[in-house]
Amino acid sequence: AQSVSQHNHHVILSEAASLELGCNYSYGGTVNLFWYVQYPGQHLQLLLKYFSGDPLVKGIKGFEAEFIKSKFSFNLRKPSVQWSDTAEYFCAVNANQAGTALIFGKGTTLSVSS
Amino acid sequence: GAGVSQSPRYKVAKRGQDVALRCDPISGHVSLFWYQQALGQGPEFLTYFQNEAQLDKSGLPSDRFFAERPEGSVSTLKIQRTQQEDSAVYLCASSLGTATGANVLTFGAGSRLTVL
Repeated sequence: AQSVSQHNHHVILSEAASLELGCNYSYGGTVNLFWYVQYPGQHLQLLLKYFSGDPLVKGIKGFEAEFIKSKFSFNLRKPSVQWSDTAEYFCAVNANQAGTALIFGKGTTLSVSS
Repeated sequence: GAGVSQSPRYKVAKRGQDVALRCDPISGHVSLFWYQQALGQGPEFLTYFQNEAQLDKSGLPSDRFFAERPEGSVSTLKIQRTQQEDSAVYLCASSLGTATGANVLTFGAGSRLTVL
């Protein structure tokens, strides 16, 4: 069975600081990887995804993530956070098979102070 | 519609009551998923439909939970004899494709259930 582990439960940063949120998954086969974001009072939205190809993927709002297969990791990064990045971030994975469910990590709450 | 619509947004039920939560997916989306999100946790998979067929219900926590999508569009998640541990946000998501897991899910705003 697949599982997703997010190492940081709550991260507090000042504006302009760099961000890295860790995500590790356990599954031996081919996977698809996602980061979703939930801004306060809003629904889950896709931030970025990796299906295949270049392991460094870029998403919206300056976010990027790198898939490192040997480490089973898909860490999220942003060089300079803004106050508006305050949100909850979820890493998710599913097996590259028909009709498989997306499995989420427990989430990381990011608080950015201005 | 433009997005996934869920109703009601908020539901308060007394323990033992039955509840029904509705999901209107994006028009034309073949796949539909239900998730349960407890406070401070990530969404947990409940069940998956491909059109009207329920292909995976392995995440339903008990036989009190039942989901249907009879015409392959609108879906209803029903919880019978609600318990306090059922209190959570129930999320519905849909996606266009079915062929592989490489589909992007679009989520609704969720239905927040509070069982007293």
